[in-house]
Amino acid sequence: QSALTQPASVSGSPGQSITISCTGTSSDVGGYDYVSWYQHHPGKAPKFMIYDVSKRPSGVSNRFSGSKSGNTASLTISGLQAEDEADYYCNSYTSSSTYVFGTGTKVTVL
Amino acid sequence: QVQVVQSGAEVKKPGASVKVSCKASGYIFTDYYLHWVRQAPGQGLEWMGWIIPNSGVTRYAQKFQGRVTLTRDTSINTAFMELSSLRSDDTAIYFCAKDSGSFSVDYWGQGTLVTVSS
Repeated sequence: QSALTQPASVSGSPGQSITISCTGTSSDVGGYDYVSWYQHHPGKAPKFMIYDVSKRPSGVSNRFSGSKSGNTASLTISGLQAEDEADYYCNSYTSSSTYVFGTGTKVTVL
Repeated sequence: QVQVVQSGAEVKKPGASVKVSCKASGYIFTDYYLHWVRQAPGQGLEWMGWIIPNSGVTRYAQKFQGRVTLTRDTSINTAFMELSSLRSDDTAIYFCAKDSGSFSVDYWGQGTLVTVSS
């Protein structure tokens, strides 16, 4: 199972919106509405941000939103803030009853 | 409150095995899958496998088949990850994480650094 493909880095100015893509196949992203997203600050445990493609867990800011089209899922961060600077990973359930993470995207707030 | 607490850092020699523990509290241990994920230095997150605490049924990523064993002890609400035939590229932080109940993980352990070095 190959890792899902994400851009290595995305950047934006405070207040702007950015979108991170996550491309898989019909055996993972495209086959199930079970894509989740995690924010990871190095040295800390990852934080649960989005599940079931577009649902936000309790306590997660509504500046974070998710979507999916075909084999590509996306995470959009609106109203970008300095605290959003982190690594972001997508994850998908697969046809083998396993999971696969994306390659990770470093978000930089300019 | 939900807590997932892992055992401490380990240093192992190539060829050895390591066993990391993960103690859960604040929820019914047998109600949710537990996942194991690792992150090697400078690399991304890598999913290793899951275990159903109620039954002990496991599923592993193909990459780790034959080298990883997930177990649990429901009497102490603890899960274990054992990785054998360690190599230098197994040096990583290993995380356990509680399944959310919806094909994702919501609570993560603090991570356990495993260093493989001769």
